[in-house]
Amino acid sequence: AQTVTQSQPEMSVQEAETVTLSCTYDTSENNYYLFWYKQPPSRQMILVIRQEAYKQQNATENRFSVNFQKAAKSFSLKISDSQLGDTAMYFCAFISSGGSNYKLTFGKGTLLTVNP
Amino acid sequence: GAGVSQSPSNKVTEKGKDVELRCDPISGHTALYWYRQRLGQGLEFLIYFQGNSAPDKSGLPSDRFSAERTGESVSTLTIQRTQQEDSAVYLCASSPWLGGGWEQYFGPGTRLTVT
Repeated sequence: AQTVTQSQPEMSVQEAETVTLSCTYDTSENNYYLFWYKQPPSRQMILVIRQEAYKQQNATENRFSVNFQKAAKSFSLKISDSQLGDTAMYFCAFISSGGSNYKLTFGKGTLLTVNP
Repeated sequence: GAGVSQSPSNKVTEKGKDVELRCDPISGHTALYWYRQRLGQGLEFLIYFQGNSAPDKSGLPSDRFSAERTGESVSTLTIQRTQQEDSAVYLCASSPWLGGGWEQYFGPGTRLTVT
């Protein structure tokens, strides 16, 4: 079974600075996808960024980038130029790319607070 | 276009009562998923549908939980004889097709409180 671990329950950062959220996972599969989701107080889960395991290049989306280390099973999220609107819970998630397992497996989340 | 919608937004019920939670997926999305989020926890998978078929019901916590879907449209999650441990946010998601490569679009959730 896959597991996802986020070891930082809470983090804070000053506006305009950079912050990195950690995520590790455990799987015996070789092909899969990893995600970072953002959940603001509105409860709406929003996809921030996605990484395909077979791609060596780290994904980037504007101010958001990941450091994907497949051998170490590590998938951290870097937020540059933090904005007040980035305040939210951030969840790391895993899904297999094949077989019959179509469920997302989530970590417990990291509450990020961006301070003015 | 319209996103995933869920109703009600909040539901308070007494222990032992039955509740129905509704999910309207994005039009055209064949896959639909239900997750549960307990306070301070990540999302816990409950069930998924491909069309109106649910091949894997192993995530449902007990036989008090059931779900159905009409075609490739609305889905209902029913909890019978609610217990206090059922209190959580229930999130629904949909995707164009089943499979890890397809993004799951989430609804705003239903917050269920069992008193």
